[in-house]
Amino acid sequence: DIVMTQSPDSLAVSLGERATINCKSSQNVLASSNNKNYLAWYQQKPGQPPKLLIYWASTRESGVPDRFSGSGSGTDFTLTISSLQTEDVAIYYCQQYYSTQITFGPGTKVDIK
Amino acid sequence: QVQLVQSGAEVKKPGSSVKVSCEASGGTFSSYALSWVRQAPGLGLEWMGAIIPIFGIANYAQKFRGRLTIITDESRSTVYMELSSLRSEDTAVYYCARDRTTSRPHFDAFDVWGQGTMVTVSS
Repeated sequence: DIVMTQSPDSLAVSLGERATINCKSSQNVLASSNNKNYLAWYQQKPGQPPKLLIYWASTRESGVPDRFSGSGSGTDFTLTISSLQTEDVAIYYCQQYYSTQITFGPGTKVDIK
Repeated sequence: QVQLVQSGAEVKKPGSSVKVSCEASGGTFSSYALSWVRQAPGLGLEWMGAIIPIFGIANYAQKFRGRLTIITDESRSTVYMELSSLRSEDTAVYYCARDRTTSRPHFDAFDVWGQGTMVTVSS
């Protein structure tokens, strides 16, 4: 299975400041057939199901604020919240869907400092 | 806009089985892969398996093979997840989630999620 790791486990950022979350896959998730990275980011708030933020590593889902951005390719990826808002307090998960054995990262908790 | 509505909370004894349903409404059902993802209390997301209703063949995470069955009832636009030989570690919220597109051969990101079903395994 492709193992997903995330860093840090948690971070606290001041309102309006940048938050950066890293995700690493144990294998390449970039498909040579279409040059797409099969990597997604989700946001989960307490008591709610996860919400898709980013797919193809950098494509924002419809309705997601543009302060959320994704980058990276191959095995190393980053989710950036450019200006943290109170409503962004949540746990963020990366996910690879390249393999038929889908796997998630362990999550990164984002809080307000 | 498709919605996924799951069945209600369950309390089960160790060694028994649980069957959770996920009904799709308001959109196309058969061509999209539907996955089951669980989340133990305070822990992360764990993908369990998926099925594409139109093909009817399920793909299971290695960890759950032999204990997990995912089936569909296209007439009811419903997917079922049955987990057997339950143990306390299976206590979790179980979610169904739909692929964003019908692209193949890879799966896609999950853009629609059910509300979750709490399954508690306790003697």
